[in-house]
This record gives sequence, C-alpha cells and structure tokens, in this order.
Amino acid sequence: GQSLEQPSEVTAVEGAIVQINCTYQTSGFYGLSWYQQHDGGAPTFLSYNALDGLEETGRFSSFLSRSDSYGYLLLQELQMKDSASYFCAIISAGGSYIPTFGRGTSLIVHP
Amino acid sequence: NAGVMQNPRHLVRRRGQEARLRCSPMKGHSHVYWYRQLPEEGLKFMVYLQKENIIDESGMPKERFSAEFPKEGPSILRIQQVVRGDSAAYFCASSPIVRTSDNEQFFGPGTRLTVL
Repeated sequence: GQSLEQPSEVTAVEGAIVQINCTYQTSGFYGLSWYQQHDGGAPTFLSYNALDGLEETGRFSSFLSRSDSYGYLLLQELQMKDSASYFCAIISAGGSYIPTFGRGTSLIVHP
Repeated sequence: NAGVMQNPRHLVRRRGQEARLRCSPMKGHSHVYWYRQLPEEGLKFMVYLQKENIIDESGMPKERFSAEFPKEGPSILRIQQVVRGDSAAYFCASSPIVRTSDNEQFFGPGTRLTVL
C-alpha cells in the first residue's frame, strides 16, 4: 500500500520561512507533488519533483530525496495569504498515475 | 479559458434520495478524476475517466456510486440512496494528457453534499 505523513499544523509569522515535511511509503515511486488549498476551495498545483534535489518557483521551493522517501515544501517571505492547507501527494506505479494525497498540513501565518 | 466547472456548488439531500454531481473539465482536457474530501482530511481518489471510458474506479464504493463521462456533456458522479456518511466535499479534476513524469491536475471548486 501507500502512506504519507505530514504534520497536521504549522504556525509561523509573516515574513518568516517555513518548511512542511512529507514522508512516504510506496512501491514504484514516480514523483512527489504539492497542492495548496484555501478554506476548502479548489486545490491548486504548486510543484512536482521526480528527481532528487530542490526545485524553486518564486517564494516556494520543493525538495525530494528518493533514498530517504522524504520531501518538503519551503515557503519563504511568508504572507498572510499563504495561510492554507498544503497537501503532499505521491505518484506511484499502477498505470494511471493518479496522485495519492496526504492528510494535509494547515499553515497559519500570524502578523 | 474557463477552468474546471462543477455544479451544483452545494447540494442538500435527504437520506435515500439520489445525488447527481456534474463536472465540466477544462477545454482541451480529456481526463477527469473525482475525489472525496472529508473535513480535516486529504483528497481520496474515487474514479478516473476518459471520454466514454472508465479507466480506474478502484476508489469508488461498489454499491450506490457510479460515474460517467459521455462523448458530449459533463462528467457525472451519481450517488443513489444517499446516507449521512456520504456528506463530504466532492472535487473533480481534469488534466490534458497523462505522462509518466508529471500529472498536474486542475481542480474544480467542489460540490458540498449534505445528507440530512
């Protein structure tokens, strides 16, 4: 089977840097995605890592270590609007490349 | 270019009634996925469809639930004889093609189903 672990909640102050970790267990791993969801709204795609290393997109970066079955999402220069839930999702072998989502991390940004 | 459309946004049904949820994918997208989300939980995959074909329904309950994506018109998730446990947010997502290296999915706003 597949499983993902991520913290349920993270808090930080505006302007700070925060890291949201994700560990996973699966067979036939293809890649790790991150999605953002505001207050139960439509989840939006943030990033995808298939190879080890850091991928940077503006204030957000995502990291993957395949050997450690571990990844993280790094948010820099936090803004109030970054308060949301963040989901890691793994793409595994199985033919359909359908992401399996973690339970999500609620990020609360304080002024 | 309109995003993924879902309707209704909110649906209230009494136990035993039928719920019909609709999803129109983004223009040019031929792959549709349905997910269910309970409060404080992640998205649980239900079914993956292409036009006129169910590709993967491994996440869908065997009874009362069905899905279709006809040649013309939206994809429909149908829940018969709803029970209180069916109350959840149902999200539809679409993607243009499915590649091994990336499967970015574009989500709709969801349908919040409440069963009384």
